[in-house]
Amino acid sequence: QLQLQESGPGLVKPSETLSLTCTVSGGSISSSSYYWGWIRQPPGKGLEWIGSIYYSGSTYYNPSLKSRVTISVDTSKNQFSLKLSSVTAADTAVYYCAGGRVLDYWGQGTLVTVSS
Amino acid sequence: AIRMTQSPSSLSASTGDRVTITCRASQGISSYLAWYQQKPGKAPKLLIYAASTLQSGVPSRFSGSGSGTDFTLTISCLQSEDFATYYCQQYYSYPRTFGQGTKLEIK
Repeated sequence: QLQLQESGPGLVKPSETLSLTCTVSGGSISSSSYYWGWIRQPPGKGLEWIGSIYYSGSTYYNPSLKSRVTISVDTSKNQFSLKLSSVTAADTAVYYCAGGRVLDYWGQGTLVTVSS
Repeated sequence: AIRMTQSPSSLSASTGDRVTITCRASQGISSYLAWYQQKPGKAPKLLIYAASTLQSGVPSRFSGSGSGTDFTLTISCLQSEDFATYYCQQYYSYPRTFGQGTKLEIK
């Protein structure tokens, strides 16, 4: 049973870069059976897919965020990460990491607030 | 991007009722559709994938059907723990997209 846990700052200043890490336990992040992704949810709103990464390193991003997003994987630490640059208040949301064959497994989510 | 449209946006029902939520894709997605349940303050939980395959551990009162552009999630006999928000998501192509959600409330 995979378990995922997000970590990172809960407060980021406007124009700075949001950085989050997802630690995977109970299985290998290098498994060819799984892929990994980030999803966010602004307060009171629906789910927005941010991007995904495969064990091969291939990445796919939401076109609306593509110019600001980087997702990477660190197999030595069994982690994958999200960087979102030039943040504004509109990026305030609960950020979830998820993975599996579909999005079977989810982290608990972490609230990131963009404010000075 | 493929647009996913759920209906209704909200739904009031009673324990024991049978309810159906629909999800329509703006183009064909074969059976590459998942349904998630989300309760307040919690992460979404995968209920169904491949349009009709029940995720392990999910009660059999949940069922999914459809292919192509039209899909349904049915809860056959509502239990108190089923009152939540439900999302569909296509994983046929990138970017992945979610429906806007259906909030299921107690009548």
